[in-house]
Amino acid sequence: EPEVTQTPSHQVTQMGQEVILRCVPISNHLYFYWYRQILGQKVEFLVSFYNNEISEKSEIFDDQFSVERPDGSNFTLKIRSTKLEDSAMYFCASRAWGTLSNQPQHFGDGTRLSIL
Amino acid sequence: AQTVTQSQPEMSVQEAETVTLSCTYDTSENNYYLFWYKQPPSRQMILVIRQEAYKQQNATENRFSVNFQKAAKSFSLKISDSQLGDTAMYFCAFMNVDSGTYKYIFGTGTRLKVLA
Repeated sequence: EPEVTQTPSHQVTQMGQEVILRCVPISNHLYFYWYRQILGQKVEFLVSFYNNEISEKSEIFDDQFSVERPDGSNFTLKIRSTKLEDSAMYFCASRAWGTLSNQPQHFGDGTRLSIL
Repeated sequence: AQTVTQSQPEMSVQEAETVTLSCTYDTSENNYYLFWYKQPPSRQMILVIRQEAYKQQNATENRFSVNFQKAAKSFSLKISDSQLGDTAMYFCAFMNVDSGTYKYIFGTGTRLKVLA
């Protein structure tokens, strides 16, 4: 069964550095998402992406964050200048288009981001 | 704004027994879906079951079933004949269909341990 893949599985970065988290969604999917989960807290929506543009973003997704789908297969999340509070597990998800709204999202394994 | 609450941070159940995980949500929307996802240790989130809000009949998938009480805004997951492989974190998720982005709002999760 097709899967969403995320790399790396664990990223350690110094505060203030830029980091790029990578995701390869399922190939025929059209909706893409990033979520994050700070340790011990709930999974939070960051951003959704459809038709090569952001369709919705949360208040967490400030100017330090950006997303791209540079080559039609990868979907990346960039954090420009990382802060300690960006330490979290980041999940990528993708969803197929369908005439019914009940298409579920498919999730990757996540990238654990640790900011030192 | 929608919220999802899972009031049981951890639960355990003996193998072959039945367990119910609770989830409540708050919304003023009428057109939505509810999902249960399972996240085994160090693995990706996998869809367990989904429920369309307009359907009165409770969804079932093999050993998994839900008790959907729309008026009470309650969406509990029942796992029958629990197996060791059911050990995982379980997330309840809400999706507003009319948002157009199909993003999820998650609960904080319930860690389920199935005991041999």
